[in-house]
Amino acid sequence: AQSVTQPDIHITVSEGASLELRCNYSYGATPYLFWYVQSPGQGLQLLLKYFSGDTLVQGIKGFEAEFKRSQSSFNLRKPSVHWSDAAEYFCAVGAYRDDKIIFGKGTRLHILP
Amino acid sequence: DAGVIQSPRHEVTEMGQEVTLRCKPISGHNSLFWYRQTMMRGLELLIYFNNNVPIDDSGMPEDRFSAKMPNASFSTLKIQPSEPRDSAVYFCASSSPRNRGGRGYTFGSGTRLTVV
Repeated sequence: AQSVTQPDIHITVSEGASLELRCNYSYGATPYLFWYVQSPGQGLQLLLKYFSGDTLVQGIKGFEAEFKRSQSSFNLRKPSVHWSDAAEYFCAVGAYRDDKIIFGKGTRLHILP
Repeated sequence: DAGVIQSPRHEVTEMGQEVTLRCKPISGHNSLFWYRQTMMRGLELLIYFNNNVPIDDSGMPEDRFSAKMPNASFSTLKIQPSEPRDSAVYFCASSSPRNRGGRGYTFGSGTRLTVV
């Protein structure tokens, strides 16, 4: 069965610092992988996705993620965070022939001024 | 495009009452998903439809929950009778056939349900 693990419930970084949010997945075949962001009181917005090709994918708002099959990971990165990046981030996994997407528990990002 | 539209945004009801949540997917999207979000359990997939047909309802917590999609532009999630433990944010999301897990879902803004 598909599953997603985000090991960090909370992450705090200073504004301008680099960011890496961890995501590990479990899936028997090649997965489709996603990162979503949720601001308080809002729905989820797709940041980026991966399902084939270049393992380093670029997303919106300056985010990128790298798919590492050997580590079953899809970590999200940003070289320099802004206060507006404070939000909750969800990693998710899906499959080509299945419409379902399974979400991780989320990582809440706090930004220090 | 107006996106996925959910109503109401907030709902406060008394235990035992019937609650109906509504969702209008993006035009042209043929898959629709209902999720529930709580602090304890995160985002849980309750049910999803493809071409208005329920495909997987294994996430529906119990018989008090039911969902319908009478046409391509409308879906409801009903809780009858409601209980305090149903308090959560309920999200609707839709995707097009080409997405199939590819481009990802588009989420609505959610309905915050409080059962007192």
